[in-house]
Amino acid sequence: AQTVTQSQPEMSVQEAETVTLSCTYDTSESDYYLFWYKQPPSRQMILVIRQEAYKQQNATENRFSVNFQKAAKSFSLKISDSQLGDAAMYFCAYRSAVNAGTASKLTFGTGTRLQVTL
Amino acid sequence: KAGVTQTPRYLIKTRGQQVTLSCSPISGHRSVSWYQQTPGQGLQFLFEYFSETQRNKGNFPGRFSGRQFSNSRSEMNVSTLELGDSALYLCASSFRLGSHRPGNTIYFGEGSWLTVV
Repeated sequence: AQTVTQSQPEMSVQEAETVTLSCTYDTSESDYYLFWYKQPPSRQMILVIRQEAYKQQNATENRFSVNFQKAAKSFSLKISDSQLGDAAMYFCAYRSAVNAGTASKLTFGTGTRLQVTL
Repeated sequence: KAGVTQTPRYLIKTRGQQVTLSCSPISGHRSVSWYQQTPGQGLQFLFEYFSETQRNKGNFPGRFSGRQFSNSRSEMNVSTLELGDSALYLCASSFRLGSHRPGNTIYFGEGSWLTVV
């Protein structure tokens, strides 16, 4: 079974600064997807960024980028120019692509609470 | 377009009762999955439905069940409620089951808060 580990329960960053959230995962599969979701106080899960394991290029979405190290099974999220609205819980998630035709199950990490200070 | 809609948003039930939660996916989405979120266990996958058929199931007791209707709306039911069932139940929908295409983003609703007393 796959596991996702987020070792930072809480992180804090000053507005306009950069912060990196860590995520490691364990899998024996070679084809999979990785995601970062944001969960604000409203509790709705919002997709921040996704990475296909077969792509070596790191995904970027505006101020958000990832550092995907497949051999190390590491998938960190970098938030640049942090804004107050970035304050939320951030979850790293894994989805298998081996049986992509039959399932869309996400395996989540335990989350990192990000605080943004003035 | 409207997002994933879950009802009710908040509810309180007594131990031993049963509860039904509803989820309306984004228009056109046929894949619906359910997750339970608790402080102790985090986010755990319950089950997934596509074309009215359960395609995948998490490690939950048989008290947890679900179904999907022809219009892709889904319901989940928990019978004989226990205190430990208190949680946020999240529904997620996507266009196509397991599609690799970037457009197949999985969208979540705001969840249904269940408190069992």
